[in-house]
Amino acid sequence: DAGVIQSPRHEVTEMGQEVTLRCKPISGHDYLFWYRQTMMRGLELLIYFNNNVPIDDSGMPEDRFSAKMPNASFSTLKIQPSEPRDSAVYFCASSAWGRETQDTQYFGPGTRLTVL
Amino acid sequence: GNSVTQMEGPVTLSEEAFLTINCTYTATGYPSLFWYVQYPGEGLQLLLKATKADDKGSNKGFEATYRKETTSFHLEKGSVQVSDSAVYFCALSEAAGNKLTFGGGTRVLVKP
Repeated sequence: DAGVIQSPRHEVTEMGQEVTLRCKPISGHDYLFWYRQTMMRGLELLIYFNNNVPIDDSGMPEDRFSAKMPNASFSTLKIQPSEPRDSAVYFCASSAWGRETQDTQYFGPGTRLTVL
Repeated sequence: GNSVTQMEGPVTLSEEAFLTINCTYTATGYPSLFWYVQYPGEGLQLLLKATKADDKGSNKGFEATYRKETTSFHLEKGSVQVSDSAVYFCALSEAAGNKLTFGGGTRVLVKP
């Protein structure tokens, strides 16, 4: 399996612009997670989905952030408008409940976002 | 709520030294416990896990034992290599939703 795929790997944008991060989970996984990692705050869970349905978005920092999962093989995290404090590495992870590797999350390589 | 506390780094060691990273947790039920490792510029990778009390997880020379009585899951390796330089995260999973609670991470630097 190719693992969790994220794109782009690096994104540099200017304040006020819309940013869209993309994630393709491992085929057959029914949970998808979006995390943000910064030096100051460490690793934060933003939102997670089960079977394409958002289950917990309590970690989404504000209304500028939105996430969708239109189907089992694709998810997006959108920031509009972006601000310099959104600069971070954003990770996507997926897992499969009820299988041999249940409750183990597999992480993508991350998207490094820089907002100028 | 659930929480994970791990020792702050950085931890600097010489090659072939013994490594211990302490991790303690707070949970209302019976969580599964994990160690994830993050190499520079990469995402997190599962290093090892344990799903019930007294279980020992092991991988790549690393070990950790699930100690319910002390609510701990300390990571150990007997002889570290330069390639073990990374950030190590302790985590727990309790809910059926596979949601992980992470510790703050411990940076380990192994010098030749």
